[in-house]
Amino acid sequence: DQQVKQNSPSLSVQEGRISILNCDYTNSMFDYFLWYKKYPAEGPTFLISISSIKDKNEDGRFTVFLNKSAKHLSLHIVPSQPGDSAVYFCAASATNAGKSTFGDGTTLTVKP
Amino acid sequence: EAGVAQSPRYKIIEKRQSVAFWCNPISGHATLYWYQQILGQGPKLLIQFQNNGVVDDSQLPKDRFSAERLKGVDSTLKIQPAKLEDSAVYLCASSLDPAETQYFGPGTRLLVL
Repeated sequence: DQQVKQNSPSLSVQEGRISILNCDYTNSMFDYFLWYKKYPAEGPTFLISISSIKDKNEDGRFTVFLNKSAKHLSLHIVPSQPGDSAVYFCAASATNAGKSTFGDGTTLTVKP
Repeated sequence: EAGVAQSPRYKIIEKRQSVAFWCNPISGHATLYWYQQILGQGPKLLIQFQNNGVVDDSQLPKDRFSAERLKGVDSTLKIQPAKLEDSAVYLCASSLDPAETQYFGPGTRLLVL
């Protein structure tokens, strides 16, 4: 039973346009959500997070939206840049537990 | 500040052989994690340490996998004997405490033939 799902294995967008990556979760105990970015041959790097007490968190070009009723979150990248091309993982955890459950990732390709 | 170090970066072994991976977390990080990432999937937690104690090893296949963090700093993960399905990237991560951001190492890519 996969508790965190990223239903789109890949996404391709044009440079300068918006990238929207989606993530769904099933476990109601999750109250902290994270996005990681991973380049080939490197470990995942933390990108942005959101607590369940918020519905939006912004950091520069990156914004994460959380819809608790739908158990859905999304990562928006505006504007997209070729350097954003990577695998993006959505992860969820229960506060203070440390243990994160990851989705299977979405490969984003930003075309110049 | 140095990041999480892992070695070796790559390892090829035959099934039924043994293998060990090493991780040195960021200095001062009390929490250490080992993840297994199979191709096409997200990282799956194998074991979580808080200092030198095990917090969660519920998904560690204990019949063949073992891990230790004896002095509460660096850690080793061992597989004995290896199976074909153990082929994966083994990621180590650390954080100041369980509520803080995890920082990942580059991983060890294991291929079992």
